[in-house]
Amino acid sequence: DTGVSQDPRHKITKRGQNVTFRCDPISEHNRLYWYRQTLGQGPEFLTYFQNEAQLEKSRLLSDRFSAERPKGSFSTLEIQRTEQGDSAMYLCASSLVATKFFGPGTRLTVL
Amino acid sequence: QKEVEQDPGPLSVPEGAIVSLNCTYSNSAFQYFMWYRQYSRKGPELLMYTYSSGNKEDGRFTAQVDKSSKYISLFIRDSQPSDSATYLCAMSATDYKLSFGAGTTVTVRA
Repeated sequence: DTGVSQDPRHKITKRGQNVTFRCDPISEHNRLYWYRQTLGQGPEFLTYFQNEAQLEKSRLLSDRFSAERPKGSFSTLEIQRTEQGDSAMYLCASSLVATKFFGPGTRLTVL
Repeated sequence: QKEVEQDPGPLSVPEGAIVSLNCTYSNSAFQYFMWYRQYSRKGPELLMYTYSSGNKEDGRFTAQVDKSSKYISLFIRDSQPSDSATYLCAMSATDYKLSFGAGTTVTVRA
């Protein structure tokens, strides 16, 4: 399978714990995106990388959130001191230009 | 008011019917328009992509963009039960940051 992959697919954590998600984009794609989706809503933009450079961060991305893309390949999204409001599906997408291809998502539940 | 408005439905149609979906938007700078299909608990799957105005057809799917009215549509002909999913419109002014509608849930009855 040469699509976008995400790991883990599901994560259950207790409030206050740190979590980290991984995204592996389609291999030739230089752009990588993180979105968050809550139930009954469309995905919301969080951040965007071109190669290893993080070019834009949404105001939704509080100081507890950090994303990296070392060497311009896979990316990680870390959430520190999780809160119940962080419970959502975290989606990664990649692209060469405008058309974005999404991964299956990581579903986070914060208890 | 949201930047992209999409009727959440739900929409239920018999097999073989035409499904008509639409979104309106407020940002006149939007020039990239996409439709995604999302099955329950899965990631969105790109269906159609249109740059600027006009129509685009791909098999049973037709996408239309009317920038003068800030209105986009997706039509699914000869709908099948496997088309049952949530359909998301998405658009952007730049080529990297998408704004999504809330999604319309469609059920095609066999």
